[in-house]
Amino acid sequence: DTGVSQDPRHKITKRGQNVTFRCDPISEHNRLYWYRQTLGQGPEFLTYFQNEAQLEKSRLLSDRFSAERPKGSFSTLEIQRTEQGDSAMYLCFGGKQGGNTEAFFGQGTRLTVV
Amino acid sequence: GEDVEQSLFLSVREGDSSVINCTYTDSSSTYLYWYKQEPGAGLQLLTYIFSNMDMKQDQRLTVLLNKKDKHLSLRIADTQTGDSAIYFCASSYSSASKIIFGSGTRLSIRP
Repeated sequence: DTGVSQDPRHKITKRGQNVTFRCDPISEHNRLYWYRQTLGQGPEFLTYFQNEAQLEKSRLLSDRFSAERPKGSFSTLEIQRTEQGDSAMYLCFGGKQGGNTEAFFGQGTRLTVV
Repeated sequence: GEDVEQSLFLSVREGDSSVINCTYTDSSSTYLYWYKQEPGAGLQLLTYIFSNMDMKQDQRLTVLLNKKDKHLSLRIADTQTGDSAIYFCASSYSSASKIIFGSGTRLSIRP
C-alpha cells in the first residue's frame, strides 16, 4: 500500500459520456501528478499540481480533459465527451517537495470506453 | 524532445543474471530511475541513480550509467520467478520535476 488511493479502480463508460476520477494522496504530498498508461506503453505525463496550483499541462491533455486540486489535497481528473482513444489506465503520483524518490503511484483507474 | 527507449522483451533462465538496457535523449536529466510493474499492481520504484554517479548497487540490483552515451542498465543478479514483471526506465531533470518513462521491458523467467 503506497498510501495514494484512486477511485474508482475500474470504469466502463459509453462513448460521449463524461467521467471523473479521484486521487487521494498522502497528506504530506504537496506535489501531485496525473499520468496515462496505455497497453504496452510507459506512463505518459498529463499534468502536475503543486499544492492547489496546476503548474504544468502536457500537450496530450486536450480541451476535453480538466484536472483540479482544490485545497491542495485530493485531485480530480475529468474527461468530457469520452472517446474510445481515452481508454487507458490513469495513474496518480504523489510526492513531497523535492523528492521523486519518495513519491508513490496509486493503483490507477482503468477506463474502458465502449 | 525528451525520450527514453528500451527493448520490449527479455527472457532469462532462473538463477542467471538479467540485464535490461535503456537509452535516454535528454542530457540534462539528473535523475534516472528503474520502476517495476507487476501484473495488476502499481508502479514501484526499484532504484535510482544520480547523473554524477557511474554505478549504484543495492542487494541484487546494479545500476550502471554511461552519461556520455546516455545509456542506463539494470542488472538483476540470481534472477528469480518473482522478478517477472515489466521494468520501466525513466528520467527527470530534477528530483522534483516530471518523470519521463520508457515503454517498458517485459522480463520473463524460464525454469
